[in-house]
Amino acid sequence: EPEVTQTPSHQVTQMGQEVILRCVPISNHLYFYWYRQILGQKVEFLVSFYNNEISEKSEIFDDQFSVERPDGSNFTLKIRSTKLEDSAMYFCASSGQGKGGRLDEQFFGPGTRLTVL
Amino acid sequence: GQSLEQPSEVTAVEGAIVQINCTYQTSGFYGLSWYQQHDGGAPTFLSYNALDGLEETGRFSSFLSRSDSYGYLLLQELQMKDSASYFCAVRMDSSYKLIFGSGTRLLVRP
Repeated sequence: EPEVTQTPSHQVTQMGQEVILRCVPISNHLYFYWYRQILGQKVEFLVSFYNNEISEKSEIFDDQFSVERPDGSNFTLKIRSTKLEDSAMYFCASSGQGKGGRLDEQFFGPGTRLTVL
Repeated sequence: GQSLEQPSEVTAVEGAIVQINCTYQTSGFYGLSWYQQHDGGAPTFLSYNALDGLEETGRFSSFLSRSDSYGYLLLQELQMKDSASYFCAVRMDSSYKLIFGSGTRLLVRP
């Protein structure tokens, strides 16, 4: 069964450093998302991406964040200068299969746990 | 702002039926989803309701009343493996982003 994959599973970084979180969405999906979940809290939407551009972003997704789809398979989230409060689990998700695809069912990856020291 | 309310914790016995409620107040509404998340795991899709009524998928059913801004997830024949957190999530507009509730931790006891 196709699945969303994410690397690394755990990233530890120093405050102020840049991190890049990587995701491989399900092939032939059309919509890609990043969410984050601070330990013990709810899942929060960060950004959605469609047709090679950001379609929507939340107020959390400020100038320190960026997303990219550098090739046909990878989808990345970059945090330019990490802060302590960026420590969270970051989930990538994808949905849609083109013609007749179900866009309202999002498939989540296993997450990257980011720890900022 | 947007708000989704669900109970923080529910406990039930193996084999029983449990209902997890979700009420929402959002500036827009297209549909209500439910996701299951085991500790340390990723959210997994359970159901999506765009129209009023009950949708059944095996042991799980989901209900929506748009006029009441209310939905619920019904889990039947509970199994130990159903112990997890359950999140309702609203799709607010033509984008497909999800706004999640705070989650309900379900504990299934033998």
